[in-house]
Amino acid sequence: AQSVTQLGSHVSVSEGALVLLRCNYSSSVPPYLFWYVQYPNQGLQLLLKYTTGATLVKGINGFEAEFKKSETSFHLTKPSAHMSDAAEYFCAVSTPNTDKLIFGTGTRLQVFP
Amino acid sequence: DGGITQSPKYLFRKEGQNVTLSCEQNLNHDAMYWYRQDPGQGLRLIYYSQIVNDFQKGDIAEGYSVSREKKESFPLTVTSAQKNPTAFYLCASNTHQNTEAFFGQGTRLTVV
Repeated sequence: AQSVTQLGSHVSVSEGALVLLRCNYSSSVPPYLFWYVQYPNQGLQLLLKYTTGATLVKGINGFEAEFKKSETSFHLTKPSAHMSDAAEYFCAVSTPNTDKLIFGTGTRLQVFP
Repeated sequence: DGGITQSPKYLFRKEGQNVTLSCEQNLNHDAMYWYRQDPGQGLRLIYYSQIVNDFQKGDIAEGYSVSREKKESFPLTVTSAQKNPTAFYLCASNTHQNTEAFFGQGTRLTVV
């Protein structure tokens, strides 16, 4: 069975600082990995995804994530935080053999001026 | 524009009443999902459907029911058997199990 762990339910950064949101997964087969963003009282929007190929994946709004098989990680980064990045971020995993996405518990990002 | 539409955005019901949340998609997606979101608990899967006239229970199906009579529609009924129905409900769809899911804007249900 697959699972996802997001380390840190809340992360706070200053505007212009590096954003690092951590995600570790568990899967017995090569996983598909996703990062979603959710603004208050809205649905989830896909930031980026990894299926196969290049392990460094670039997404929207300047975010990127790197798939590290040896560390079973898929951490989300952004070099310089913007106030508009304040939201909740979810990591998710699936595989070719599963029929559903498994989500982490989310990380709320706060950005201070 | 293609997308997923959930309605209503806010819903208030009295305890003991059944209530149905609507989810419609025009993306021609085969699979549809219902998630419940509570603070600090992430998204928990209630029901999902990979094809018309077929659906499976997720992790927290008790107190909920669904139907999938049309490809475009996947309504969720919150029954009186659901002990704590107040939550934010999200509907999603995708083409295959390993592709990204597209989400609706959610329905916030409050039971008083």
